[in-house]
Amino acid sequence: NAGVTQTPKFQVLKTGQSMTLQCAQDMNHNSMYWYRQDPGMGLRLIYYSASEGTTDKGEVPNGYNVSRLNKREFSLRLESAAPSQTSVYFCASSEVTGAYGYTFGSGTRLTVV
Amino acid sequence: QKEVEQDPGPLSVPEGAIVSLNCTYSNSAFQYFMWYRQYSRKGPELLMYTYSSGNKEDGRFTAQVDKSSKYISLFIRDSQPSDSATYLCAMDGGSQGNLIFGKGTKLSVKP
Repeated sequence: NAGVTQTPKFQVLKTGQSMTLQCAQDMNHNSMYWYRQDPGMGLRLIYYSASEGTTDKGEVPNGYNVSRLNKREFSLRLESAAPSQTSVYFCASSEVTGAYGYTFGSGTRLTVV
Repeated sequence: QKEVEQDPGPLSVPEGAIVSLNCTYSNSAFQYFMWYRQYSRKGPELLMYTYSSGNKEDGRFTAQVDKSSKYISLFIRDSQPSDSATYLCAMDGGSQGNLIFGKGTKLSVKP
């Protein structure tokens, strides 16, 4: 019972480099989310996908793009990484948006130097 | 005023103590209230889930919602060192549809 799987777990990027964070869930959930977590800032929503084929901006979308590849997979892309994007990134999924709580992955620790 | 306020702590208690964790919120449209537990270097995991006002108990954990005061609580009885973690409250975003999280309270239970 894998739940939500994120790859990679750790990454170091140089400023200006690009990368894609991968997320997959095996619970047949409709909604998926990307959050970043920074000290003193809590969890902040970057993008979410309420259902396959739709994506919407969250609180802090600038500098990121997302793709809902299919019902299982939701990727987050940093086109030109900046030191301000150093953070821990969490993917989550839920049966419906809000309401019943989310299942989170174990996170990706990203450092941009 | 932030939509969800949570004291970041840290909170340190001796093993066996009763722990009270709290959040306040401003939006009266919130209906679903959750508590997540996050161990160091792990993702948050859903601990308790409550709809509307009232109490819900699960083992040593009790979640309380007071909608009239816009105040939710999580009580941990007979606290254990394994309860040491950051506890985040969360609530449905009303018309926004997404969960809104508190910033978390870091709890340390000393043996």
